[in-house]
Amino acid sequence: AQSVAQPEDQVNVAEGNPLTVKCTYSVSGNPYLFWYVQYPNRGLQFLLKYITGDNLVKGSYGFEAEFNKSQTSFHLKKPSALVSDSALYFCAVRRLNTGFQKLVFGTGTRLLVSP
Amino acid sequence: DAGVIQSPRHEVTEMGQEVTLRCKPISGHDYLFWYRQTMMRGLELLIYFNNNVPIDDSGMPEDRFSAKMPNASFSTLKIQPSEPRDSAVYFCASSPDRGITEAFFGQGTRLTVV
Repeated sequence: AQSVAQPEDQVNVAEGNPLTVKCTYSVSGNPYLFWYVQYPNRGLQFLLKYITGDNLVKGSYGFEAEFNKSQTSFHLKKPSALVSDSALYFCAVRRLNTGFQKLVFGTGTRLLVSP
Repeated sequence: DAGVIQSPRHEVTEMGQEVTLRCKPISGHDYLFWYRQTMMRGLELLIYFNNNVPIDDSGMPEDRFSAKMPNASFSTLKIQPSEPRDSAVYFCASSPDRGITEAFFGQGTRLTVV
């Protein structure tokens, strides 16, 4: 079965500094990887995804993520954090070899960007 | 398209009462998912449908929970009888295909059982 680990419950960073939110996955076969963001009292919003091709994926709001197959990681990054980036971030993985579609989420990482 | 629409946004009910949560997926999306979010357990997949057929309900916590999708534009998640530990935010999401396209989430229903 596929699974996702987000080892940090919370990441604190000062505005203007680079940020990284970590994600590792476990899946047999090729993974499809996603990052979602959740603002307070809102649903999850899609940020970016890795399907195939270039390991560096660019997404919404200046975020990017790097797929590393050898380390089974898909860390979310941003060169310069904004206070408005403060939110809950979820990594998710999907395996397609089975023919079914099931998206499995990590436990989430709360990002807090201080002014 | 207005996106995935869930109703109600908030629901407060007494223990033992029946609760029905509703979801309207994005038109043309063949997959529909029900998730539950709590502080303790995070985001859990409860059940998902493909072309209105339930595919995997292994995440449904117990028989008190049931989900239906009578047509492509409507799904319900029912809890009967409800218990305080069912208090959570319930999300519905839909997706158009087997996996390349991301899932789109509704705003969620915050359920409080007192």
